Amino acid sequence: EPEVTQTPSHQVTQMGQEVILRCVPISNHLYFYWYRQILGQKVEFLVSFYNNEISEKSEIFDDQFSVERPDGSNFTLKIRSTKLEDSAMYFCASSVQGNGELFFGEGSRLTVL
Amino acid sequence: GEDVEQSLFLSVREGDSSVINCTYTDSSSTYLYWYKQEPGAGLQLLTYIFSNMDMKQDQRLTVLLNKKDKHLSLRIADTQTGDSAIYFCAERGNFNKFYFGSGTKLNVKP
Repeated sequence: EPEVTQTPSHQVTQMGQEVILRCVPISNHLYFYWYRQILGQKVEFLVSFYNNEISEKSEIFDDQFSVERPDGSNFTLKIRSTKLEDSAMYFCASSVQGNGELFFGEGSRLTVL
Repeated sequence: GEDVEQSLFLSVREGDSSVINCTYTDSSSTYLYWYKQEPGAGLQLLTYIFSNMDMKQDQRLTVLLNKKDKHLSLRIADTQTGDSAIYFCAERGNFNKFYFGSGTKLNVKP
């Protein structure tokens, strides 16, 4: 069964460092998303991406964050200068349509020290 | 803004039914979802219900929707230890943004 894959599964970084989280969405999906879940809190929407541009972003997704689809398969989330409060589980998701169900990856746990 | 609320914990005995409840705020949501998260895994879609339905049954799962009260529930019949996980209620808003609850941790005791 096709699935969304994410790497790394866990990354530990120092505050102020840049981090790139990678995702390979399901191959025929056209819409891509990042969500995050701070430990013990809700899963929160960060950004949606379609046709090589951001469709929607939340207020969490400030200038420190960026997304990119560098080739036909990867979808990346970059955090330019990490802060302690960026520590969370980051989930990538994709959907076939813009109003379709989301298929999630297993998440990348980011720990900022 | 949209808000989805769930109780945090539920503990049941194996073989009993589990009922996980959720309330939401956006009455315009056309679909409501239940996702399951097992330890170390991502969010797996369990089932969903269209807003013009009151009930949907899928094997051991029954979803009940009360649109008037904006209340959604997931009933798992004959709960097994393998059902132990965190269950997330979600509503879908504009631009396919999903709004999740905090998740209900279901503990199934043998």
